[in-house]
Amino acid sequence: GAVVSQHPSRVICKSGTSVKIECRSLDFQATTMFWYRQFPKQSLMLMATSNEGSKATYEQGVEKDKFLINHASLTLSTLTVTSAHPEDSSFYICSARAESSDTQYFGPGTRLTVL
Amino acid sequence: SQKIEQNSEALNIQEGKTATLTCNYTNYSPAYLQWYRQDPGRGPVFLLLIRENEKEKRKERLKVTFDTTLKQSLFHITASQPADSATYLCALYTGGFKTIFGAGTRLFVKA
Repeated sequence: GAVVSQHPSRVICKSGTSVKIECRSLDFQATTMFWYRQFPKQSLMLMATSNEGSKATYEQGVEKDKFLINHASLTLSTLTVTSAHPEDSSFYICSARAESSDTQYFGPGTRLTVL
Repeated sequence: SQKIEQNSEALNIQEGKTATLTCNYTNYSPAYLQWYRQDPGRGPVFLLLIRENEKEKRKERLKVTFDTTLKQSLFHITASQPADSATYLCALYTGGFKTIFGAGTRLFVKA
């Protein structure tokens, strides 16, 4: 149980385009979902927290207009990187938490490369 | 603010030995602490959760301890195997559904 999927696993795009990443909880209802980014050999950096049906709460320094998060259902959250630039290239990972659980379960991650 | 310190140097051990990884934090003791495993290019995988009122937790070859006086958690892998080679992350719950992660310690188990 507690499986989280992410799609796509890898994406390469041109500078200025937008990219959407999907995160799904496959066997549980995720009342809260989280989006992280991770640079090589560094810790996970929380970007935003979203509760189903509510606006996401962004961490300090994360541009909400650039990183659009939608948590429209209890099993799906999306992160859209708008007008992507090379500095947005990173490993993006989502996680999901059920209402009755203290544990976050992570997706496999999405490697974004912006040319 | 709460900070987590994990040994940034890689830990190299021989197969069959016990690996011990350390997680230290600086401020208040969290309600619970978690350990995750992360392989290169993959998302973290949950291993164990230990609460502040628990001294020790076990799962198969894994053992976690939580010392709120020392502000430290130790993560042990007994009878280590090459397949245990990965980065291990310590994570502290800081309230409001938020968890902060350490940078992780890389473990290499040599056959």
